[in-house]
Amino acid sequence: SAVISQKPSRDICQRGTSLTIQCQVDSQVTMMFWYRQQPGQSLTLIATANQGSEATYESGFVIDKFPISRPNLTFSTLTVSNMSPEDSSIYLCSVDGLVTEAFFGQGTRLTVV
Amino acid sequence: KQEVTQIPAALSVPEGENLVLNCSFTDSAIYNLQWFRQDPGKGLTSLLLIQSSQREQTSGRLNASLDKSSGRSTLYIAASQPGDSATYLCAVRQRGATNKLIFGTGTLLAVQP
Repeated sequence: SAVISQKPSRDICQRGTSLTIQCQVDSQVTMMFWYRQQPGQSLTLIATANQGSEATYESGFVIDKFPISRPNLTFSTLTVSNMSPEDSSIYLCSVDGLVTEAFFGQGTRLTVV
Repeated sequence: KQEVTQIPAALSVPEGENLVLNCSFTDSAIYNLQWFRQDPGKGLTSLLLIQSSQREQTSGRLNASLDKSSGRSTLYIAASQPGDSATYLCAVRQRGATNKLIFGTGTLLAVQP
């Protein structure tokens, strides 16, 4: 299994500001995934982050709003830019272990006021 | 397009009952199916992973089955306890270039002491 550390665990931010979420994995992985979970909803994939290349974004998500960095095989960041109350969600980092089992971090609970 | 549905959306049972959570998916071209547990405001904990070639997996009081041809999976929880109270999510991994995880809508379980 993979152990994923995500920071911060929660934050309350002012609208118009940006927040960067960090994700650290205890082993080297090719792909890291960022998800959003809006209140009362299930998880939606934002983007897939590969080391050494630009992230691949899902329909409805753009790089200007959710820039992602992937500087090495164990670390990634997701920035939520120019936040509005609609961005209030849980943001989750995920990696795949052996046999394509998905593992998740503890999530970042973001509230935008 | 793959759609994953979970029934019921919410369930309340007295402690000690055996219960079944249902997950259905529309496209049988899956790599595997995974059941997760999510506590309020937290990340996801992997419970069971069933590969497409398997029929069931067991871990302690949990048993998950998979019928790929009919697009169904069930999670059976034996002798439920108040500590089992959480949201349970199923997710299917699509066969394809990206092997994406598609999540269900979740079942909110409350086990009453």
